[in-house]
Amino acid sequence: DQQVKQNSPSLSVQEGRISILNCDYTNSMFDYFLWYKKYPAEGPTFLISISSIKDKNEDGRFTVFLNKSAKHLSLHIVPSQPGDSAVYFCAATYQGGKLIFGQGTELSVKP
Amino acid sequence: KAGVTQTPRYLIKTRGQQVTLSCSPISGHRSVSWYQQTPGQGLQFLFEYFSETQRNKGNFPGRFSGRQFSNSRSEMNVSTLELGDSALYLCATRTSGSLETQYFGPGTRLLVL
Repeated sequence: DQQVKQNSPSLSVQEGRISILNCDYTNSMFDYFLWYKKYPAEGPTFLISISSIKDKNEDGRFTVFLNKSAKHLSLHIVPSQPGDSAVYFCAATYQGGKLIFGQGTELSVKP
Repeated sequence: KAGVTQTPRYLIKTRGQQVTLSCSPISGHRSVSWYQQTPGQGLQFLFEYFSETQRNKGNFPGRFSGRQFSNSRSEMNVSTLELGDSALYLCATRTSGSLETQYFGPGTRLLVL
């Protein structure tokens, strides 16, 4: 039972363009969402988060959008840089409990 | 400040054996969570320990167990290994605060033959 889904295993984008990574969830009780970035041979690192009471959160080049009615969130990276190439995981939680992760999307930013 | 340390980094075992993985948290972090990462499944939550007590548990069989010591270091044990247990095992540590302050270790890559 995959409560958090990232349906695109991979995404390729040209440097300078926008990267859009998508995530869907099924559990309407989730109240907090996080995005993590993972390089090979390293653990995931926290990138950005959003509470269910908001629909947008921005941090520099990274913006997360939340559509509660569609149970959908997306991460926008503008402009994309080669150093952004990594696997991106979205995760959801309820009342600060355990994190439920998606399967990950591998982003490749080409120069 | 030193990061999260996981040992060993790589491990090869055969079916039926058992394995113990270790996680040393960042100084001051009292919560340790364990995750299993496999291709196609992403990261799946195993359990969380806080102050030597299991605070949360995922949907894994009883072959997967853990414990936490008084110095906050944590161990994870898998008994009667199966081929499907081959994965990257990650631990993440934090203070009692928000999940944004959770830091992951580099993981232990387990291969079961």
